[in-house]
Amino acid sequence: DAGITQSPRHKVTETGTPVTLRCHQTENHRYMYWYRQDPGHGLRLIHYSYGVKDTDKGEVSDGYSVSRSKTEDFLLTLESATSSQTSVYFCAISESPTLNTEAFFGQGTRLTVV
Amino acid sequence: RKEVEQDPGPFNVPEGATVAFNCTYSNSASQSFFWYRQDCRKEPKLLMSVYSSGNEDGRFTAQLNRASQYISLLIRDSKLSDSATYLCVVNTVDSSYKLIFGSGTRLLVRP
Repeated sequence: DAGITQSPRHKVTETGTPVTLRCHQTENHRYMYWYRQDPGHGLRLIHYSYGVKDTDKGEVSDGYSVSRSKTEDFLLTLESATSSQTSVYFCAISESPTLNTEAFFGQGTRLTVV
Repeated sequence: RKEVEQDPGPFNVPEGATVAFNCTYSNSASQSFFWYRQDCRKEPKLLMSVYSSGNEDGRFTAQLNRASQYISLLIRDSKLSDSATYLCVVNTVDSSYKLIFGSGTRLLVRP
């Protein structure tokens, strides 16, 4: 299995509080992605990174920010959590999306905002 | 319109059946195509890449039709263990490096 871990695996938080999810890889892959998965919507891209300090928005980026200060870590922050952000969050890594290479996923973080 | 669209299913088939899934994508600049499998409450895992000439891996066959912008997955001789959600994934490299997922097609294989 690829070396990718997400933390925490489960979290319950209150509306309005900040939350940070961490994705850590040991594969030295350049590309990292944050997705959320909700019933009926599949996996939707939140933000992605194509290198240290290089990030861009995905299709559902509102309310989320990211940071990548080193290759191995990609942080997803909910500045002020809302109930609509209750979801399962997956991090993925890829060596190069242009070379038909596999993307590896973390085990997911189940976030509940109450 | 979603960038990648799939029939959500579920497809409910008996063991031994042949089943096919289609997926359409909207961006003609898309370059890489994949099928991922996701078991309930687990992370997605690569099933197979999809190449322009089509490719086969055991009971699984993937095909790409660039002119019509769709990819397909054919599963022959279905097994109970094939029950899962199958996700179509498209990578578009224009000015970005996004991996875009379809919402998935659920397959149920019954005894």
